[in-house]
Amino acid sequence: QQQVKQSPQSLIVQKGGISIINCAYENTAFDYFPWYQQFPGKGPALLIAIRPDVSEKKEGRFTISFNKSAKQFSLHIMDSQPGDSATYFCAASEGGSARQLTFGSGTQLTVLP
Amino acid sequence: DAGVTQSPTHLIKTRGQQVTLRCSPISGHKSVSWYQQVLGQGPQFIFQYYEKEERGRGNFPDRFSARQFPNYSSELNVNALLLGDSALYLCASSLRLPSTDTQYFGPGTRLTVL
Repeated sequence: QQQVKQSPQSLIVQKGGISIINCAYENTAFDYFPWYQQFPGKGPALLIAIRPDVSEKKEGRFTISFNKSAKQFSLHIMDSQPGDSATYFCAASEGGSARQLTFGSGTQLTVLP
Repeated sequence: DAGVTQSPTHLIKTRGQQVTLRCSPISGHKSVSWYQQVLGQGPQFIFQYYEKEERGRGNFPDRFSARQFPNYSSELNVNALLLGDSALYLCASSLRLPSTDTQYFGPGTRLTVL
């Protein structure tokens, strides 16, 4: 059962453009929503995360927008750079002692120079 | 400062064999989680250990088992390998139970089952 749906599967953006990746979840018990960046041959690395008590969080060029009523959240990458080319995963988890991450299927981002 | 380390980097096995993957968490981290990442998909949760006790288990068959040692390193064992077990196996560590702590991922072990 896929609990976090991610789109698009792939995204091509020109340098300097805005990259937008969307995720939707079903489990209303989720209360932590991180985004991970993964380069080929590497493990995922945490980019930015948000909790449902805020609607937006910004760190540098990366912004998470969160819509609790729609059960959706998105990642915006401003001024996209070729070095941002990677696979991006949204994830979600719920509270408790075993906070396992449920990942989306990933978005392969290519930023053209 | 060393991150999460995993060994081996790559592994090739045949169907029916058994495999052991190893993970060393970041120094001071007490929680280790294991994930399976099939090519083209997001990681799927397998196990979580904290203070040497299993704290969570994903929807994987009993062929998968794990343990955590007193030094907080961990092993993932998979018995009776199937072709479908071919994947990147990721280990993640966090300081405490990852209720609020960031999980840091290692580079993974690429397992190929022939």
